[in-house]
Amino acid sequence: QLHLQESGPGLVKPSETLSLSCSVSGGSINSGSYYWGWIRQPPGKGLEWIGSVYHSGSPYYNPSLKWRITISPDTSKNQFSLRLRSVTASDTAVYYCARFSWKLEAFDVWGQGTVVTVSS
Amino acid sequence: EIVLTQSPATLSVSPGERATLSCRASQSVRSHLAWYQQKSGQAPRLLIYDASTRATGIPARFSGSGSGTDFTLTISSLEPEDFAVYYCQHRVDWPLTFGGGTKVEIK
Repeated sequence: QLHLQESGPGLVKPSETLSLSCSVSGGSINSGSYYWGWIRQPPGKGLEWIGSVYHSGSPYYNPSLKWRITISPDTSKNQFSLRLRSVTASDTAVYYCARFSWKLEAFDVWGQGTVVTVSS
Repeated sequence: EIVLTQSPATLSVSPGERATLSCRASQSVRSHLAWYQQKSGQAPRLLIYDASTRATGIPARFSGSGSGTDFTLTISSLEPEDFAVYYCQHRVDWPLTFGGGTKVEIK
């Protein structure tokens, strides 16, 4: 059974870079049928897609964030990562990693989420 | 960017009753629409994909319909565990987007 687990600092200072990793177990990110993505949810608000990446690269990003984000795969570690630069308080959110199935055109497996707070 | 508008924002329903949730797209997404359920403190769970196909393990009381710009998620008879927030999401093209959500609460 596929399992995704987010990891990274829970507290980031304003203007710094938020870095998260998503470890994948029970399956390989090298599968050609899936993209691997990040979604976030600010406190009390809805879901916002951040971006998704294929195992060989070729990311797609949310246009509102694309100048600040990098999502990249690490096939040697079977994980993928998110870097969000120049964070502000509005980047405070629960960050989820998830598998995007091309067949379903939906996120069919999710991590449990990790809380990231931006504060000095 | 395609905008998904969900209505109502909050739906108050009694257990055993029917719930009907709406998702409207700013332009056609054909049938490339999914629905998710999110319970408090949990990650979202995929319910429906391709507008009307239930994901693995999803009970038959959940059904989806629609195409183009207007979609509906119906819960035929609400169980206590169905009270949650529901989101729609399209992927007709990048960027994919989510709707703002509908909270189904106990009446």
